[in-house]
Amino acid sequence: DIQMTQSPSSLSAVVGDRVTISCRASQPITNYLNWYQQKPGKAPKVVIYGASTLQSGVPSRFSGSGSGTDFTLTISSLQPEDFATYYCQQSHSTHFTFGGGTRVEIK
Amino acid sequence: QMHLQESGARQVKPSETLSLTCRVSTGSISDDYWTWVRQPPGKGLEWIGHMYDSETTKLNPSLMNRLTMSLDTSKGQFSLKLRSLSAADTAVYYCALLRGSGSYYWFDSWGLGTLVTVSS
Repeated sequence: DIQMTQSPSSLSAVVGDRVTISCRASQPITNYLNWYQQKPGKAPKVVIYGASTLQSGVPSRFSGSGSGTDFTLTISSLQPEDFATYYCQQSHSTHFTFGGGTRVEIK
Repeated sequence: QMHLQESGARQVKPSETLSLTCRVSTGSISDDYWTWVRQPPGKGLEWIGHMYDSETTKLNPSLMNRLTMSLDTSKGQFSLKLRSLSAADTAVYYCALLRGSGSYYWFDSWGLGTLVTVSS
């Protein structure tokens, strides 16, 4: 199976900060990479699919980049509603796998 | 907008079988991929498997020896059975639609999730 490694596992930031989360695949996955946001007690929701396509309804401050094995989720100006845990997930292999998650906390 | 709702036992004894069902609000589950994802308390997400029809099913290799998935198109629902449970199977179980665009697929339209506890 393809292993997905996220970094950092957690970060502290203030409203307005630019936040970057990294995700690395154990083998090339072209751009079959999705990002999810999960708030406590809620189901995840997709924010980016295909590495860089913004899901409908997601604010434009979210962006995704990368291809091959290295990917990045960027929040250009962190808002209060963005404090959550973010997961990457590969869909290159039909045996889907997730990264371990990055918790974005209030500083 | 589509809504999904999980149902089934929330407390199961070790070595027993977990049975969960996901009802789709539209009543139509044909021509789509349906999936299960679980999340142990305080931990990350794990894909369990997905199904399009009886011939198009993918299961997590770490679970496939204990896992059965099925669809009931007449009722607009799909199901999961996980056998030989242990404490490691304690988790919130989510059902979801596997949405696609071209060759890209992602988990969408999630259920609320149901916490399943394996304990004697």
